[in-house]
Amino acid sequence: GAVVSQHPSWVICKSGTSVKIECRSLDFQATTMFWYRQFPKQSLMLMATSNEGSKATYEQGVEKDKFLINHASLTLSTLTVTSAHPEDSSFYICSARESGAYNSPLHFGNGTRLTVT
Amino acid sequence: SQKIEQNSEALNIQEGKTATLTCNYTNYSPAYLQWYRQDPGRGPVFLLLIRENEKEKRKERLKVTFDTTLKQSLFHITASQPADSATYLCALVGSGNTGKLIFGQGTTLQVKP
Repeated sequence: GAVVSQHPSWVICKSGTSVKIECRSLDFQATTMFWYRQFPKQSLMLMATSNEGSKATYEQGVEKDKFLINHASLTLSTLTVTSAHPEDSSFYICSARESGAYNSPLHFGNGTRLTVT
Repeated sequence: SQKIEQNSEALNIQEGKTATLTCNYTNYSPAYLQWYRQDPGRGPVFLLLIRENEKEKRKERLKVTFDTTLKQSLFHITASQPADSATYLCALVGSGNTGKLIFGQGTTLQVKP
């Protein structure tokens, strides 16, 4: 089955530094990937849609200059949290569709737990 | 605005019983609804998809119903097992055919032996 790999699984960084999270589709190509954020006991909140070869589409309220998304190939999207602050501490999860159909299921990575001290 | 609601209170049941989880939505007319399972510290895993013209969908011990009049989906796990303990999320494709999936807050199920 389709596998999405996310790295690192957890990271601790100091306030003001930047952190890069990688999301790879291992056995399929993904022209579109989705980045979510999840706070404890809350739902997944869509942050942005990552499009291969073009700019990402950000959801309302998400700062594009703070959460930089790059989708340089059909199997890799990266999310960089720039100038991280403690309030950015969260669980970040990427996902992708194996099929291009917009209603088809999403395959998720196992998430990255970011802690900003 | 579009809203998806799941019971935020944990559901505790005894092993062997049927668990029933509810997903309600408003300001929405989705053509599809999906259910996912999420274990602590992990990404969600897809379980079932049901279309608006399907009243019911089954997969092994799982059953999903979709009532577009009530704007509600029910998710059932029959003969529940402790291994079924997890958080279950319902999700709808956002409007505009962009493929964005919008999730409910999830219901945590605890099956006790």
